[in-house]
Amino acid sequence: DAGVIQSPRHEVTEMGQEVTLRCKPISGHNSLFWYRQTMMRGLELLIYFNNNVPIDDSGMPEDRFSAKMPNASFSTLKIQPSEPRDSAVYFCASGPEGYYGYTFGSGTRLTVV
Amino acid sequence: GNSVTQMEGPVTLSEEAFLTINCTYTATGYPSLFWYVQYPGEGLQLLLKATKADDKGSNKGFEATYRKETTSFHLEKGSVQVSDSAVYFCALTWGRGSQGNLIFGKGTKLSVKP
Repeated sequence: DAGVIQSPRHEVTEMGQEVTLRCKPISGHNSLFWYRQTMMRGLELLIYFNNNVPIDDSGMPEDRFSAKMPNASFSTLKIQPSEPRDSAVYFCASGPEGYYGYTFGSGTRLTVV
Repeated sequence: GNSVTQMEGPVTLSEEAFLTINCTYTATGYPSLFWYVQYPGEGLQLLLKATKADDKGSNKGFEATYRKETTSFHLEKGSVQVSDSAVYFCALTWGRGSQGNLIFGKGTKLSVKP
C-alpha cells in the first residue's frame, strides 16, 4: 500500500494566486481529513469527509478556503486568493470505519510570498 | 469541550535514558487515545493507541496506559535511542459509532543525544 499520497510536496506561490493541494487517500478508507500545521497554532483540523461527504468544515479559516472530494480516491484543498498567513504545512489523513487511528500523508509545505 | 494537554518540550535525554511524556485529556463520553510521532520533514505516524480504559498501547518499545481515573495517557520508553528523536503528539477522538474528530496536543519535541 502506497499510503496517503499528497501533491505537491512543496509549493511556493505569490500572494493572490490560487493554490490547489491534492490528496489520494488509502483505498478502502472512508474518512478523509485536512489538517494545517504551524508553529503558532500546532495542528488544526480544517475539514473532514466521511464517504465523500463533508461532515465538519468549521475549521476552514474563511471563504478563501474550499475543499472537495469528488470520489473516494481523490480530494482537493483550494485557497483562492492565497495570503502570506496561509503559509503552513498542510496534511491529508485518511482512516477506516471506526476510530482506530488515521494515516497521514507527508504533507504539502506551502509558502506564500 | 474535548482537549488534550501534553507537557511542553523540548525534552533532551541521553541515549538509554528513561522517557516519560505526560498527556492528560478532557473529553465527554468514551474517547480513544493515541500517540503519534513526527520525524523531521515527515507526516505524522501512528505510534500506539488505546480504545478503552485500562488498555495499554505499545509499539517499538513505547507504552501508554489509558487511565480513566486520572484522565491520562502518559507515553513511556525504558531506554531511548538517538533514532527516537522526533515530535510526539498525544491525541484523542470520540463518538461511538462515528469517525469523530482527532484532537491533538501541541506536541513535545524529544532530542536524544548519543
